[in-house]
Amino acid sequence: AQSVTQLGSHVSVSEGALVLLRCNYSSSVPPYLFWYVQYPNQGLQLLLKYTTGATLVKGINGFEAEFKKSETSFHLTKPSAHMSDAAEYFCAVSDQPGGYNKLIFGAGTRLAVHP
Amino acid sequence: DADVTQTPRNRITKTGKRIMLECSQTKGHDRMYWYRQDPGLGLRLIYYSFDVKDINKGEISDGYSVSRQAQAKFSLSLESAIPNQTALYFCATSDPTRPNQPQHFGDGTRLSIL
Repeated sequence: AQSVTQLGSHVSVSEGALVLLRCNYSSSVPPYLFWYVQYPNQGLQLLLKYTTGATLVKGINGFEAEFKKSETSFHLTKPSAHMSDAAEYFCAVSDQPGGYNKLIFGAGTRLAVHP
Repeated sequence: DADVTQTPRNRITKTGKRIMLECSQTKGHDRMYWYRQDPGLGLRLIYYSFDVKDINKGEISDGYSVSRQAQAKFSLSLESAIPNQTALYFCATSDPTRPNQPQHFGDGTRLSIL
């Protein structure tokens, strides 16, 4: 079975500071990993994904994440936070290979950015 | 126009009522999903459908039913709503010919059951 743990339900940073949102996963097969962002009153928007290949993945809005198999982690980072980054972020895993791409989500991390 | 449209966007109803949430998509995807989102729990899968004739229970299907009326339409029903079904519900779609591509989500339906 697969699972996702996001450490920290709430993270608060200053504008311009580093953003680090933590995600650890459990999977018995090679995982496919995703980060989604949810702005207020909106659905989920994909930030980035890891499938195969390069372990450092770059996404939209300056975010990136690194897949570390030995640590079973896929932490999301952004060098400099912007006020518009305030949202809820979800890490998700899929066992997909060629099969059914059901997503297992973490509980989410709400990011607050203050001036 | 949105690729994945959910109706209604908001609904308040009473315990015991039958509720239907609708989802339609213009992406031409075969696969559709219903999730519910609760604070602190993330999104959990209720039902999923890989085509019109293939419907499967997800993690939390009790108290829910679905209907896949066409490739583009996937409805979620609460036969007799109860307060702990108050949540934000999302529909999503995906393309099975591109299994590593992400699911696409609608904007959600906020359901409150009094």
